[in-house]
Amino acid sequence: EVQLVESGGGLVQPGGSLRLSCAASGFTFSNYWMTWVRQAPGKGLEWAANINQDGSDKYYADSVKGRFTISRDNAKNSLYMQMNSLRVDDTAVYYCARGVKCSGSHYCAFDVWGQGTTVTVSS
Amino acid sequence: EIVLTQSPGTLSLSPGERATLSCRASQSVSSSYLAWYQQKPGQAPRLLIYGASSRATGIPDRFSGSGSGTEFTLTISRLEPEDFVVYYCQQYGTSPMYTFGQGTKLEIK
Repeated sequence: EVQLVESGGGLVQPGGSLRLSCAASGFTFSNYWMTWVRQAPGKGLEWAANINQDGSDKYYADSVKGRFTISRDNAKNSLYMQMNSLRVDDTAVYYCARGVKCSGSHYCAFDVWGQGTTVTVSS
Repeated sequence: EIVLTQSPGTLSLSPGERATLSCRASQSVSSSYLAWYQQKPGQAPRLLIYGASSRATGIPDRFSGSGSGTEFTLTISRLEPEDFVVYYCQQYGTSPMYTFGQGTKLEIK
């Protein structure tokens, strides 16, 4: 079964750090772009970051650039997000998701999602 | 930045009816790069349509996508009770790489 399982969420004070993990199974992890998408309580979806198959290309939303770092370990079939200098508006459910190749080398959508891990930033 | 605006915000229909959900982009979007998702309460989003009109694996054929340029549509031909949830459109582009619409809630009339 193709599966993504996130972990590492929790309650943290503003300015603090967290490291999210996403364990992949049921598919060849190293063949796919991977992404983090977040959803604030009662709000819509926001793309946060993504990473290519070997980790050499990484892209970030402006809202997290310079504070969050996406990485992966293909030997462990795992995706990570190191989150530093957390702010109250980073409070959200964080989903990892697998990229879908739509044309050429472009991964334009997300076909497998984890169940999400909740990050709460509050004093 | 390409902004996606979904309409209506809430759509009230009855089971068995046809639903038409709209997604308008602030700039032209390649048809290859427009997707639709369904999200049930407390669950992760589920990919329905990618490339504007290609159904994802396992998606029933009552779901269809169409459109080009700045206007895209998700159509649900005959609503089932489990279809009354929230739907998002999403585009792939540059800076930011991916953006989502604000969502359309489909509710039972």
